[in-house]
Amino acid sequence: DGGITQSPKYLFRKEGQNVTLSCEQNLNHDAMYWYRQDPGQGLRLIYYSQIVNDFQKGDIAEGYSVSREKKESFPLTVTSAQKNPTAFYLCASSTLTSRAFNEQFFGPGTRLTVL
Amino acid sequence: GQQVMQIPQYQHVQEGEDFTTYCNSSTTLSNIQWYKQRPGGHPVFLIQLVKSGEVKKQKRLTFQFGEAKKNSSLHITATQTTDVGTYFCAGPGAGTASKLTFGTGTRLQVTL
Repeated sequence: DGGITQSPKYLFRKEGQNVTLSCEQNLNHDAMYWYRQDPGQGLRLIYYSQIVNDFQKGDIAEGYSVSREKKESFPLTVTSAQKNPTAFYLCASSTLTSRAFNEQFFGPGTRLTVL
Repeated sequence: GQQVMQIPQYQHVQEGEDFTTYCNSSTTLSNIQWYKQRPGGHPVFLIQLVKSGEVKKQKRLTFQFGEAKKNSSLHITATQTTDVGTYFCAGPGAGTASKLTFGTGTRLQVTL
């Protein structure tokens, strides 16, 4: 089965702790993305990566960090510097071609609650 | 920076009624994509429009891309309860086709 997996589905952490959310894809996609979604809100881009060992900040990167050591994996760390980390986190991936568009495929998401 | 707004933010319809959501970008878009997110789920790609004035249909869903390529609409004819969810438009970020800016979304509720 090809797709994107995120684990766990629900995650609880104490305030002040760093937490790492996993994202794995077996679609052989070059690009991967992390979004944050708050209740009733749209998707805001945190980080994205187009190639292994390279990534770029999105619109709300402060308080987050990522790594891209393997093509299949793009973990996101929510650090204690993120002031309001409770949210729904979505990982996505896409191909990179010369076409005008690249549809994004999303994982099931991780709902993070910081107590 | 680029902004993509959608209206309405929320709409509640009776099953069988029509529904339309509008998407407006602050910049011209090379293409626009539409996604649907069911409650508690993740966004799923529906369609992409590329040409100015393009209209595409998927069963009861009609998608349109504006002539100026700054706006788009999604129209659902005779809604069903399976249409419930949030509909997002998304356009490429400035200078790259690999990064998307998502619209604010329109949440559709359908009741019998």
